[in-house]
Amino acid sequence: SQKIEQNSEALNIQEGKTATLTCNYTNYSPAYLQWYRQDPGRGPVFLLLIRENEKEKRKERLKVTFDTTLKQSLFHITASQPADSATYLCALVSTDSWGKLQFGAGTQVVVTP
Amino acid sequence: GAGVSQTPSNKVTEKGKYVELRCDPISGHTALYWYRQSLGQGPEFLIYFQGTGAADDSGLPNDRFFAVRPEGSVSTLKIQRTERGDSAVYLCASSPSSSYNEQFFGPGTRLTVL
Repeated sequence: SQKIEQNSEALNIQEGKTATLTCNYTNYSPAYLQWYRQDPGRGPVFLLLIRENEKEKRKERLKVTFDTTLKQSLFHITASQPADSATYLCALVSTDSWGKLQFGAGTQVVVTP
Repeated sequence: GAGVSQTPSNKVTEKGKYVELRCDPISGHTALYWYRQSLGQGPEFLIYFQGTGAADDSGLPNDRFFAVRPEGSVSTLKIQRTERGDSAVYLCASSPSSSYNEQFFGPGTRLTVL
């Protein structure tokens, strides 16, 4: 069966450190993978997209890597700030179901001053 | 500009009742998506529209769930004979087209079935 797995335990990190989140998938042929941020009581907000033929993408303090051999994406927040505290969701679009986002359960990040 | 809006923000109903949830997408966005999110889980795809037609409704859990988008803008998700297991946050998202990668989400409607 198809699965998208993210660390279920919250990641507690000190301000200024790098947070690294993992997204693993099985039985998908991804066209691309996206990362979203979700704050309590709000809808997800798009952060970054990486295509299946790309290895790494960066945007400001964010970096995403994508390894289709390992079937894994890593999401990094460098120089983390308390305002980065949120739940981060990874989502896949498969080559056979264009437009349909399939999400992992998300990982909560807590950045303490 | 205005984002995706959803009404109501909260809906409490009794088991067996009928509910309608409304989504107003960003103006000009032709693709519209419905998801359902349970506590501690990621959003679960239900259906998406490209224009007025449902391009993929494979995520609708059963025939109690139905969605329409008659004029290619506002969409309504309809749930008949609600069950307690339908309780969740229903999220709507839109994008300029289904081939545009980023989806813009609304704040969701929290549905509670007593």
